[in-house]
Amino acid sequence: EVRLVESGGGLVQHGGSLRLSCAASGFSFSSFAMSWVRQAPGKGLEWVSSISGSGDSTYYADSVKGRFTISKDNSKNTLYLQMSSLRVEDTAIYYCAKVVSGSYLTFDYWGQGSLVTVSS
Amino acid sequence: QLVLTQSPSASASLGASVKLTCTLSSGHISYAIAWHQQQPEKGPRYLMKVNSDGSHTKGDGIPDRFSGSSSGAERYLTISSLQSEDEADYYCQTWGPGTLWVFGGGTKLTVL
Repeated sequence: EVRLVESGGGLVQHGGSLRLSCAASGFSFSSFAMSWVRQAPGKGLEWVSSISGSGDSTYYADSVKGRFTISKDNSKNTLYLQMSSLRVEDTAIYYCAKVVSGSYLTFDYWGQGSLVTVSS
Repeated sequence: QLVLTQSPSASASLGASVKLTCTLSSGHISYAIAWHQQQPEKGPRYLMKVNSDGSHTKGDGIPDRFSGSSSGAERYLTISSLQSEDEADYYCQTWGPGTLWVFGGGTKLTVL
């Protein structure tokens, strides 16, 4: 059974930093790309960042480029999102998601999310 | 620019069927999309991938009541024999070069 469990969310001040983690199990973690998707309060889903299975390639939404860094530790089956220079508009639930095999089209498993609140 | 357009809301009666629509922007009508369901206070759940020819591939454990289809730039999610637990937000999503991963605005489905 595929499981994705996020942690590390919390309350942080504008301009601060936070690191999210996503512990993965039930699949060959190093073989799959992984992503972070967020959802601001009362809003829809927004893709944030993705990383290839090996970790060699990374991708970012324009809204977080230069401020967030995605990484994965294949020896620990863990995905990370280092967030810095946080803004109030980064307040959201952050979901970890597994990218489907064979293409980068979509996400076939999701975590339950970790809430990040950025105060002014 | 790759954009997915969804109606903000839809409603249907318990036991009935409903068809949700996701429209691809001009120049992208051949793209496959995916549908995701988000029940209240829960994380999203992958439902299926829908190709431009109407074929679809469902995720693990997705009931037969859920199906996908296509027509031109439109991709559909049909839910039959509606149940109370189908009341949720439904998002379409795709991938494209440049814009990468894109979500539609979501449709809030109310089961009456």
